[in-house]
Amino acid sequence: DGGITQSPKYLFRKEGQNVTLSCEQNLNHDAMYWYRQDPGQGLRLIYYSQIVNDFQKGDIAEGYSVSREKKESFPLTVTSAQKNPTAFYLCASSSGGSSTDTQYFGPGTRLTVL
Amino acid sequence: AQTVTQSQPEMSVQEAETVTLSCTYDTSESDYYLFWYKQPPSRQMILVIRQEAYKQQNATENRFSVNFQKAAKSFSLKISDSQLGDAAMYFCAFLDSNYQLIWGAGTKLIIKP
Repeated sequence: DGGITQSPKYLFRKEGQNVTLSCEQNLNHDAMYWYRQDPGQGLRLIYYSQIVNDFQKGDIAEGYSVSREKKESFPLTVTSAQKNPTAFYLCASSSGGSSTDTQYFGPGTRLTVL
Repeated sequence: AQTVTQSQPEMSVQEAETVTLSCTYDTSESDYYLFWYKQPPSRQMILVIRQEAYKQQNATENRFSVNFQKAAKSFSLKISDSQLGDAAMYFCAFLDSNYQLIWGAGTKLIIKP
């Protein structure tokens, strides 16, 4: 089945630790995105990548890092520099480079800092 | 800066009735795309409907339709024959010229049996 997978579904982190969230897609999409969602709010863009080996910061990139070594994969690392990382993280992909782009989403990862 | 506003934090509707969710946006662009996404309790974000700004005809997907008023910068979602499975958070989103989605804060839709 074509789609976007995220793992793990739930993640617990101790303060001061880095953690990496996985996002994989088999839709042959060029563009991938990471969003953060806090309770009662819409989504905020963390990072996005329009093509392999290239990515740009979104609105709230501080304390996060990404890589895009393969078209199918766009992992997000939440570093210890992120002051309030507890949130729901959504990964999305789109065919890329067009104003007709529609983003499709994975099931999300819930990160909790203990 | 482009913004998307959903003025109704919560709406409720009787099963089988019709409900309309409001969305307004602000942009200086003339060509753009608007979306409604649904987020059920599972929290997966699901595309409901999409509207191209250059099209005058309102988009329709089965029981879901939009009322797109470009001059008023309004993009409301109408759900007909509401079903229990429609209960979710509904988000309005605007695709900007950098192909990034700008999101509203969402409207929680409650379906009363």
